[in-house]
Amino acid sequence: GNSVTQMEGPVTLSEEAFLTINCTYTATGYPSLFWYVQYPGEGLQLLLKATKADDKGSNKGFEATYRKETTSFHLEKGSVQVSDSAVYFCALSEYSGAGSYQLTFGKGTKLSVIP
Amino acid sequence: DTAVSQTPKYLVTQMGNDKSIKCEQNLGHDTMYWYKQDSKKFLKIMFSYNNKELIINETVPNRFSPKSPDKAHLNLHINSLELGDSAVYFCASSQRDLAKNIQYFGAGTRLSVL
Repeated sequence: GNSVTQMEGPVTLSEEAFLTINCTYTATGYPSLFWYVQYPGEGLQLLLKATKADDKGSNKGFEATYRKETTSFHLEKGSVQVSDSAVYFCALSEYSGAGSYQLTFGKGTKLSVIP
Repeated sequence: DTAVSQTPKYLVTQMGNDKSIKCEQNLGHDTMYWYKQDSKKFLKIMFSYNNKELIINETVPNRFSPKSPDKAHLNLHINSLELGDSAVYFCASSQRDLAKNIQYFGAGTRLSVL
C-alpha cells in the first residue's frame, strides 16, 4: 500500500534559519504530492502541491520538488519566521475509486521557530 | 463564510454513548471525507463519500457510520463510544477533478470519551 515517511520532530529553529523537512513516499501509481500545514488549534491547510515528476510547488516562501527518482518531496524555506511555527504534513493522493482521491499522510513534523 | 464547518468543536461524553458530528461544506464539492487524528497527530482516512458511493477504510470499526443527507453534508455517527475513540476528527471536501483535487479541511472536532 501507499505510505509517506517524514522526518521526526520536533524541529526548533531560530528566526531566519533555513528549514528542510524531509519526506519520502511509497506508492503503486503516480500520486500527487502535497504539503499541508496545521497551525495550533486549527484544521489543515494546503501549503503547496505538485502533480507530476519534476514539478515544483511553492507558496509563502516554501518550496518542494517532486523527485520521482528518489521518491521524495522535501519541504524547504530559506528564512523561517515565528509565524511558521506549526505542524507540517507531507501527503500523497491517489485515486481510490468512485471519484475519490484519498490522502495518505506522514506523521507530521512539529516546527517551532524562536525569535 | 467558512468553507468546511464542523460542529461541535469539542465533544465530551461517556463510554457507551452514541454521538454525532456534523460537517457542512459550501464549496460545491462532490466528495467529502472523514479523518481521525490521534494523540500523536497521526492522520488517517476513515471514509470518503461521493455521489452516494461510500469508500470505507477497512480498519474503521462498524460503530462508525457516515450519513450524507445531501451533497453538502457528511455527518459522522459513532455508536457505543470507547475510550480509544478519543481523538480529533476532521472533515474535508474536494472536487472529483484530479487537477483540482485539493482537500479543504474543517477545523476539527475534539472528542473526549471518559
